[in-house]
Amino acid sequence: QVQLVQSGAEVRDPGASVKVSCKASGYTFTSSGISWVRQAPGQGLEWLGWISIYNGNTNYAQKLQGRVTMTTDRSTNTVYMEMRSLRSEDTAVYYCARSKALGYYYFDYWGQGTLVTVSS
Amino acid sequence: DIQMTQSPSTLSASEGDSVTITCRASQTISNWLAWYQQKPGEAPKLLIYKTSSLESGVPSRFSGSGSGTDFTLTITNLQPDDFATYYCQQYNGYSGTFGQGTKVEIK
Repeated sequence: QVQLVQSGAEVRDPGASVKVSCKASGYTFTSSGISWVRQAPGQGLEWLGWISIYNGNTNYAQKLQGRVTMTTDRSTNTVYMEMRSLRSEDTAVYYCARSKALGYYYFDYWGQGTLVTVSS
Repeated sequence: DIQMTQSPSTLSASEGDSVTITCRASQTISNWLAWYQQKPGEAPKLLIYKTSSLESGVPSRFSGSGSGTDFTLTITNLQPDDFATYYCQQYNGYSGTFGQGTKVEIK
């Protein structure tokens, strides 16, 4: 069965960086793309960006351009999301999610979520 | 960027009711719209994609319609498991904007 397993909770100081991982199993890893979506406490969902596992192409939400990088390691079926220059408003649960259809940004499987807390 | 506006923000209903949630896009998105259900502490769950296609395993009491900029999610014969928050999401072009969510609560 398809599974996306994310790394554990993180606490960072403002201005620091964080890197969250998402390990996929149960399907052909290169057959789809992975997006990252976050949810601040008590708030809605925010799409952050997408990476093609096949060729590593990325597409980021405009508001995060320059602060976020998504990468993939096909040898371990893992996708990474790194965010830099963290601010308190980046405190959220971060989800990875698999595109149901290649190149389309809607998602049929989600990771369990990783809480990132930005606080001094 | 395409903005998605859902209404209402909260909806009170009873078991057995039918409810409709509306989602409006700031520009046309053809039929590139999905709906998700989220319960507290859980990841979202895909219900409907491409406006009206039901995801495998999702009960037929969920249905979607619309095109262009205006879309709806309808739940008929509301069940206890359906009390949750619902999000629409557009995926036209190279972005995936979500609506702000609609909480369906027990009246």
